[in-house]
Amino acid sequence: AQSVTQPDIHITVSEGASLELRCNYSYGATPYLFWYVQSPGQGLQLLLKYFSGDTLVQGIKGFEAEFKRSQSSFNLRKPSVHWSDAAEYFCAVALNTGGFKTIFGAGTRLFVKA
Amino acid sequence: DTEVTQTPKHLVMGMTNKKSLKCEQHMGHRAMYWYKQKAKKPPELMFVYSYEKLSINESVPSRFSPECPNSSLLNLHLHALQPEDSALYLCASSQIRGTEAFFGQGTRLTVV
Repeated sequence: AQSVTQPDIHITVSEGASLELRCNYSYGATPYLFWYVQSPGQGLQLLLKYFSGDTLVQGIKGFEAEFKRSQSSFNLRKPSVHWSDAAEYFCAVALNTGGFKTIFGAGTRLFVKA
Repeated sequence: DTEVTQTPKHLVMGMTNKKSLKCEQHMGHRAMYWYKQKAKKPPELMFVYSYEKLSINESVPSRFSPECPNSSLLNLHLHALQPEDSALYLCASSQIRGTEAFFGQGTRLTVV
């Protein structure tokens, strides 16, 4: 069965520092891959997605992610973190079988210190 | 219009009440979804509707009853809920062969 692993429950970075959030997936083929961000009490906002083509994907808010098939990874990066980036980040995979079943990782809580 | 609209935003209900959550989209999507998200947890899929027909039920208790009256609307009827059902309920929609699901802002449900 497909699954998503986010090994870091929480990460703390200083404002202005770079960020990398890790995501590994288990799936028989290349799935659709996503990163979502969720602020407390809010819904999900899609940061970026990958399903084919260039393995380096640019998203909103200065985020990017790189798909590495050999490592079954889809890590999220940002070169310089802002205090407003503090939130919960979810990596997700999806299977399209007549509907789009999205499976989320456990999430990584990002804390940003001044 | 790329929005999925959920109403109400907040709902408090007693364990003997009957209430409904509503979700609407006007993107022409023919697949719609309900997810449940407990505090500090990821969203978990509850139901999938394809072409207004229930295609996936992830073993959800019968006190949750979904309904898809037309291609734009998805309801979740709630009856005899328990306090542990308190959560954020998210609706989403997608094209049947789409590459992305669009999520609403959710309904924050509290069962007292």
